[in-house]
Amino acid sequence: ILNVEQSPQSLHVQEGDSTNFTCSFPSSNFYALHWYRWETAKSPEALFVMTLNGDEKKKGRISATLNTKEGYSYLYIKGSQPEDSATYLCASKNAGGTSYGKLTFGQGTILTVHP
Amino acid sequence: NAGVTQTPKFQVLKTGQSMTLQCAQDMNHNSMYWYRQDPGMGLRLIYYSASEGTTDKGEVPNGYNVSRLNKREFSLRLESAAPSQTSVYFCASSRRDRVNYGYTFGSGTRLTVV
Repeated sequence: ILNVEQSPQSLHVQEGDSTNFTCSFPSSNFYALHWYRWETAKSPEALFVMTLNGDEKKKGRISATLNTKEGYSYLYIKGSQPEDSATYLCASKNAGGTSYGKLTFGQGTILTVHP
Repeated sequence: NAGVTQTPKFQVLKTGQSMTLQCAQDMNHNSMYWYRQDPGMGLRLIYYSASEGTTDKGEVPNGYNVSRLNKREFSLRLESAAPSQTSVYFCASSRRDRVNYGYTFGSGTRLTVV
């Protein structure tokens, strides 16, 4: 079982602040790293899927980076807005062995953006 | 464009009762998954089906069975419900198990076992 850790567990910021969270994962047999946004009373929605060391992805004000050698990914939100309030999940997929292809999720970072 | 449809959305069971959670996707995805979400635990994989005709255990399979009825449908069965199975259950699908596409999730089933 992969251990995927996210920090912080929760975060409160003011509207307009920029923020970032961390996802750490075992670097051995790494295959892919996913980020999801999960709003209350909805289902998780995919933000990014990254596979290559040094990968950077961007969608509007949200971006993510990946370091597969040291086993971490950062998610950045620039100029946070109240509608960014959600739980942000990361999940790692490894390759090989019996766990091939399965995503293991972290516990999530709960972001609250105050107007 | 329904995506992933789960039924029912809510269910209350008595200990020992059985039920089946239904999941269907209309995106022609090969792989389907069942997760449970508990406070402080994140999403944990119960069972998955990499392709039609195959199923495999995830992290927490005890007390559950699954059936991949066809490419579209993947059901989760609780044979004898226990209070520890009180949780929110999510079905998800992905385009192919070996290709890096994000998962599409259903809206969840909130199950309470009393």
